[in-house]
Amino acid sequence: GESVGLHLPTLSVQEGDNSIINCAYSNSASDYFIWYKQESGKGPQFIIDIRSNMDKRQGQRVTVLLNKTVKHLSLQIAATQPGDSAVYFCAENRNTGFQKLVFGTGTRLLVSP
Amino acid sequence: DAMVIQNPRYQVTQFGKPVTLSCSQTLNHNVMYWYQQKSSQAPKLLFHYYDKDFNNEADTPDNFQSRRPNTSFCFLDIRSPGLGDAAMYLCATSNRVGETQYFGPGTRLLVL
Repeated sequence: GESVGLHLPTLSVQEGDNSIINCAYSNSASDYFIWYKQESGKGPQFIIDIRSNMDKRQGQRVTVLLNKTVKHLSLQIAATQPGDSAVYFCAENRNTGFQKLVFGTGTRLLVSP
Repeated sequence: DAMVIQNPRYQVTQFGKPVTLSCSQTLNHNVMYWYQQKSSQAPKLLFHYYDKDFNNEADTPDNFQSRRPNTSFCFLDIRSPGLGDAAMYLCATSNRVGETQYFGPGTRLLVL
């Protein structure tokens, strides 16, 4: 089915390290991107978003970078904490006549104390 | 706090026995979505309502239906659950299509 690809299914880091989760997308018409965090047994939680007219956006401990040239999106988490352990999904809004949010396959982030 | 609520959180049903999952929102959003999520997979959109307009995904089986009686509530009906329908069902809302979607906690469905 449709999907936005992720390179790494699992990322293991030590507490305090910076984490980078990557996402590749294929649709040039996508104009809006969102990162979600999903903890076990819970619904996806909005983290941060970015529109296609921006290259970078910062939140609290998180930064999203968008490279439209190579269709690449990344989520950077500073000073990763055990509470950051979760599955992270990128999602793109495909604007091809009918708008639809398409999720990537997800990356599991494991943070060790 | 404005939120998306799903009930029940866990639902057990028998093979072939109709089941209804519910979602409510206090965000007053126009759009409500239903997703199916299986273990270690991304959420898969089943359908959505923009106000009263129903939009079905092309690959959503006929076994899945939805109702939206008012702005706040949306229901997912599974007419004849099969073992393959066991999954987490997520409800989400957004003010407009293409804007940020906010998810509920999900209902985990078990089919015996």
